[in-house]
Amino acid sequence: DSGVTQTPKHLITATGQRVTLRCSPRSGDLSVYWYQQSLDQGLQFLIQYYNGEERAKGNILERFSAQQFPDLHSELNLSSLELGDSALYFCASSVEGDPTGELFFGEGSRLTVL
Amino acid sequence: GDSVTQMEGPVTLSEEAFLTINCTYTATGYPSLFWYVQYPGEGLQLLLKATKADDKGSNKGFEATYRKETTSFHLEKGSVQVSDSAVYFCALSDQSGGSYIPTFGRGTSLIVHP
Repeated sequence: DSGVTQTPKHLITATGQRVTLRCSPRSGDLSVYWYQQSLDQGLQFLIQYYNGEERAKGNILERFSAQQFPDLHSELNLSSLELGDSALYFCASSVEGDPTGELFFGEGSRLTVL
Repeated sequence: GDSVTQMEGPVTLSEEAFLTINCTYTATGYPSLFWYVQYPGEGLQLLLKATKADDKGSNKGFEATYRKETTSFHLEKGSVQVSDSAVYFCALSDQSGGSYIPTFGRGTSLIVHP
C-alpha cells in the first residue's frame, strides 16, 4: 500500500460528459502529480500541484483542469469527454524538494468513455 | 526535452532465465534514474534508483547501473520468477523550473512462464 488513495477505481461515461477524479496523497506529502496512462501514449505527465499551487504543467488538454485543496487532496476534472480520453489516470505524491524525485502512486482510476 | 527509450515488449522468459531490459535516456542536466514496476491491477511502485553516474541500484535481485557515457540504465536480474511478471518502466527525474518531474518510458511487459 503506497498510502495514496484514488477514487473512483472505475468510471464509465458517455462522450460530452464531465467527470471528477479524486486523489488523497500520502500523509505529509505536499506534492501531487497526475499522469495519464494509455496504450498508445504510455505514461504522460499532466500536471503537478504543491501545497495548493500549480507547480508544473505537462501535456494537459484545455478540457482538463485540476486543483489541490487546503487539506492537500486533489481533483482532476475532465470535461467534454471524447473517446480518446479513455485511459488509466494515476495520481502520485512525493516529498517536494527531494532531488531523487521518487513518486508514490495510487492504484489509478480507469475511465471508459463510450 | 528529456526522454526515455526502453525496449518494446513483451519479453517472454522461462523461470530462472536471465533478464535484461534496455533503457537509454536523453537529458540536459544530471538526472536521477529509476525503474518502476507495475503489477497487474496496481499502481507503479519504485523498484530501484540511482542518483549519480556509476551508481548501482538494486532491489529484490534486480540491478541497474547508471552509465553516463552511454546514457543507459539497463535493468538486469540473474534468475527471474513467475512472480516477476509485470510491466517495468524506466524513468528519469531532472529538475525543471524548481521541480522534479519524472519522465517515463513506455514500459516493457515481462511474462515469465513456469
